[in-house]
Amino acid sequence: EVQLVESGGGLVQPGGSLRLSCVASGFTFRNSWMNWVRQAPGQGLEWVANIKEDGSAQYYVNSVKGRFTISRDNAKNSLYLQMNSLRIEDTAVYYCAAGSDIRGQGTLVTVSS
Amino acid sequence: DVVLTQSPLALPVTLGQPASISCRSSQSLVRNDGSTDLHWFQQRPGHSPRRLIFKVSNRDSGVPDRFSGSGSGTDFTLKISRVEAEDVGIYYCMQGTHWPFTFGPGTKVDIK
Repeated sequence: EVQLVESGGGLVQPGGSLRLSCVASGFTFRNSWMNWVRQAPGQGLEWVANIKEDGSAQYYVNSVKGRFTISRDNAKNSLYLQMNSLRIEDTAVYYCAAGSDIRGQGTLVTVSS
Repeated sequence: DVVLTQSPLALPVTLGQPASISCRSSQSLVRNDGSTDLHWFQQRPGHSPRRLIFKVSNRDSGVPDRFSGSGSGTDFTLKISRVEAEDVGIYYCMQGTHWPFTFGPGTKVDIK
């Protein structure tokens, strides 16, 4: 069974940084595009970033370009999201997804002073 | 960016009756290889979203067969043949053909 466990969320001040992690199991991680999706409180879903199987290509939604970096470690079946220069509007639950399959409980990021 | 328009945005249904949600795309979602990356998600109150249908019409493991997806090109539909109480929640369509991937605004399904 596919399992994705996110961690690393928390409370951070505007302009601060956080690094999210996602540990995957139950499928061949190194063969999968991986993604981060977020959901602001009471709002819909937004695709944030994705990364190719071997890490050679990454794509970002415009609102996070230049601030967020997606990466992966296939030896550890792990996906990461480095978030810098955080803004209040980045407050959301962040989910990792294997392809289009969102499985985890998410991790809450709150950006507030 | 590809805009997905869902209708209706709110859908009150009677238990045991069918329900249908439309998702229309601003661009064709057919990929160069002929596949179509249009998926449907369910989000129950207080829960994470979960995928129900992938690539237009394929049910995910464990999804009841009362859920079905259909469509092509720019017009897609999610149908629930007989609504049950556990189906209450918000349903999103999502396209993975064009970057940035995008979601529809969601359709809130509740019981009359």
